[in-house]
Amino acid sequence: EPEVTQTPSHQVTQMGQEVILRCVPISNHLYFYWYRQILGQKVEFLVSFYNNEISEKSEIFDDQFSVERPDGSNFTLKIRSTKLEDSAMYFCASSTSWEVQGGGNQPQHFGDGTRLSIL
Amino acid sequence: AQSVSQHNHHVILSEAASLELGCNYSYGGTVNLFWYVQYPGQHLQLLLKYFSGDPLVKGIKGFEAEFIKSKFSFNLRKPSVQWSDTAEYFCAVTHKAAGNKLTFGGGTRVLVKP
Repeated sequence: EPEVTQTPSHQVTQMGQEVILRCVPISNHLYFYWYRQILGQKVEFLVSFYNNEISEKSEIFDDQFSVERPDGSNFTLKIRSTKLEDSAMYFCASSTSWEVQGGGNQPQHFGDGTRLSIL
Repeated sequence: AQSVSQHNHHVILSEAASLELGCNYSYGGTVNLFWYVQYPGQHLQLLLKYFSGDPLVKGIKGFEAEFIKSKFSFNLRKPSVQWSDTAEYFCAVTHKAAGNKLTFGGGTRVLVKP
């Protein structure tokens, strides 16, 4: 079964440094997402991406965050100047489609996550 | 605020026991409901989903869930668990008015003792 792959599995970074988390979505998927889970808290939506632009973002996704699909396969999340509170597990997901009528009914497939630790 | 609640944070049970995990959501209108499972060291995997139709949905590995619209609930059940069902289980919702993002419950850690 095709999988979403994420690299690295664990990233340790000094506060204030830039970090790039990488994801390779399933090849025929068109919608891409980032979520994060701070230790002990819920999985939270960060951003969704379709047709080379952000389709939706949460309040968490401020100017420090950006996403990019630099080529036909990778989908990246960049944090420009990391803060201690950015420490979390970051999950990438992808889906084939999203029907407006159904309100997002195509299941999202998740990667294994990147554990980001900010020192 | 709209939310998804899972009432049990931890569940411990023995093999062959029945499992039921509660999930409630606070959205009105059209929702799509999901249960994901995360086995130790693995990624989130879809167990089952409800879009419309029969409110009793069957998923993989013998799991099923029942959508009760009047109670805003989507509880997960398995009649007889195995040690391999040890995992964290997440209920999630997408809502037509909220775009295609998944809103997750807090998760329930299930430990099945052999």
